[in-house]
Amino acid sequence: AQSVTQPDIHITVSEGASLELRCNYSYGATPYLFWYVQSPGQGLQLLLKYFSGDTLVQGIKGFEAEFKRSQSSFNLRKPSVHWSDAAEYFCAVGARGSARQLTFGSGTQLTVLP
Amino acid sequence: DAGVIQSPRHEVTEMGQEVTLRCKPISGHDYLFWYRQTMMRGLELLIYFNNNVPIDDSGMPEDRFSAKMPNASFSTLKIQPSEPRDSAVYFCASSFRRGAVSGNTIYFGEGSWLTVV
Repeated sequence: AQSVTQPDIHITVSEGASLELRCNYSYGATPYLFWYVQSPGQGLQLLLKYFSGDTLVQGIKGFEAEFKRSQSSFNLRKPSVHWSDAAEYFCAVGARGSARQLTFGSGTQLTVLP
Repeated sequence: DAGVIQSPRHEVTEMGQEVTLRCKPISGHDYLFWYRQTMMRGLELLIYFNNNVPIDDSGMPEDRFSAKMPNASFSTLKIQPSEPRDSAVYFCASSFRRGAVSGNTIYFGEGSWLTVV
């Protein structure tokens, strides 16, 4: 069965600084990978996803993520963080043939300092 | 475009009462999911439907929980009787063409925030 690990529970960055949120997955083949963001009191919004092709994917709000098969990683990056990016970020994996659909990581809470 | 619509957004109920959460998926989507989010367990898949038929309900915690999808545009998640440990955010989500196992996006509603006292 697939699994997802987000090793950082909480990250704090200053506004304007760069950001990288880590995500590692476990799956025997190439998975489908997703990043979702959850603002306080809101549902989950898709930031970006990878399912084939170019391993560097662009998403909304200036985010990007890179799929690295050799490291089983799909880290999320943003070159300059805005205060409105403060939220919780979830990495998720979808696996071909899986009856369970999406498996989510435990989330990373991002705090942005002025 | 209307997204996944859930109601109620917030509910506070007393232990032992019946709770019914409602969901309208995105029109044309053939997969519907119910997730639960808690601090302790994160996001858990409770059950999902394909073309109104339950496919996998192994995540439903116990018999107090039941879910139905009488038609393509409506689903309910019912808890009877409710208990304080059921307090959580319940998300409904929908997708088209097999969802995440085919690389398709699963779209989430804004959640129903349930508190059982």
